[in-house]
Amino acid sequence: AQSVTQLDSQVPVFEEAPVELRCNYSSSVSVYLFWYVQYPNQGLQLLLKYLSGSTLVKGINGFEAEFNKSQTSFHLRKPSVHISDTAEYFCAVSAIQTGANNLFFGTGTRLTVIP
Amino acid sequence: EAEVAQSPRYKITEKSQAVAFWCDPISGHATLYWYRQILGQGPELLVQFQDESVVDDSQLPKDRFSAERLKGVDSTLKIQPAELGDSAMYLCASSLVDPFEQYFGPGTRLTVT
Repeated sequence: AQSVTQLDSQVPVFEEAPVELRCNYSSSVSVYLFWYVQYPNQGLQLLLKYLSGSTLVKGINGFEAEFNKSQTSFHLRKPSVHISDTAEYFCAVSAIQTGANNLFFGTGTRLTVIP
Repeated sequence: EAEVAQSPRYKITEKSQAVAFWCDPISGHATLYWYRQILGQGPELLVQFQDESVVDDSQLPKDRFSAERLKGVDSTLKIQPAELGDSAMYLCASSLVDPFEQYFGPGTRLTVT
């Protein structure tokens, strides 16, 4: 089975400052990795995904994440945040296997951008 | 831009009543998922369909929850009877190729009183 740990439940950051949201995962098999964003009262939107290849993945809205297999981490970063980035962010993993490939989500990190 | 549709957006029901949620995936998406998201937690998969067949319902509380996707297009999730602990956001998602990119609907927020 897979599991995801998002170490920070809340991250406040000033506008235009950099931010890093941490994600660690546990799995006995190789995995795909994802970051989703959820704005209030809305569904989830895919920010970026790592399937294979370069360990640095670029996504929408200026976000990027780096896959570190030895540390089983997939931290999300943005060099300069905007007020509109205020939202809940979820890290998720899926085992690389045939059949039902479920997404396992972390508990989320609430990013609050302070003007 | 195509979107996953869900209705209703909000539902308040009394415990022991029946409740149903509807989802219409993006056209052409063969895989459909129902998730439950309890406040302060990440979504948890309840059931996954490939066309009209259930691929995974291992986390679906089958004594009270049921899901169907009769024609392999839209889907209904039912709870009967509802319990206080069922209060949550119910999210529907669909994908072309499982699970590389799931597209989520806006969700149905259920409150059981």
